[in-house]
Amino acid sequence: DIVMTQSPDSLAVSLGERATINCESSQSLLYSSNNKNYLAWYQQKPRQPPKLLIYWASTRESGAPDRFSGSGSGTDFTLTISSLQAEDVAVYYCQQYYNIPYTFGQGTKLEIK
Amino acid sequence: QLQLQESGPGLVKPSETLSLTCTVSGGSITSSRHYWGWIRQPPGKGLEWIGSMYYSGSTYYNSSLRGRVTLSVDTSKNQFSLKVSSVIAADTAVYYCVRHPYNDEVPYYFDYWGQGTLATVSS
Repeated sequence: DIVMTQSPDSLAVSLGERATINCESSQSLLYSSNNKNYLAWYQQKPRQPPKLLIYWASTRESGAPDRFSGSGSGTDFTLTISSLQAEDVAVYYCQQYYNIPYTFGQGTKLEIK
Repeated sequence: QLQLQESGPGLVKPSETLSLTCTVSGGSITSSRHYWGWIRQPPGKGLEWIGSMYYSGSTYYNSSLRGRVTLSVDTSKNQFSLKVSSVIAADTAVYYCVRHPYNDEVPYYFDYWGQGTLATVSS
């Protein structure tokens, strides 16, 4: 199975500041035939299901605010929130869909400093 | 707007079978280019993919559940279902039904999620 490791486990950022969450996979998620990275990011607010934010490592889902961006390739990926808003308090998960079983990172809890 | 809604008993006894159903509204389960699946989340923990299937029968399972999982589809009711047999306390979790797009026979990320239902395994 592909192991997904996020860092940090928790993060406190001031309102309006940048937040960065990292995700590392145990093998490359880049599929050579189409040059796509099979990596998604989700946001889970308390008592809600996860919500898709980013797929193909950097494509923003319709409706996701443009302060959210994804980057990276191969085994190292980053989710960036350019200017933290109060409603961004949540747990964030990365997920690979390169191989079955689909696997998730352990989650990063984002709070306001 | 597509909506997914899980239903099923909230309490299951150890060694028995957990059965959940997901009802899809606002779209058809026979839609091409979409798989339908299940993900679970133990209280206070992370996410685990259980399995996914296409309406015509192609199915993928997470081998970590060691053959205890069965997925099925009822196209007449626009529903799909999950059965987990021989449950133990570690199967206690919020269970989410999900949709994911696919291409070239490979399902991708999860773009729609149900609200989730808590299933507790306890005598």
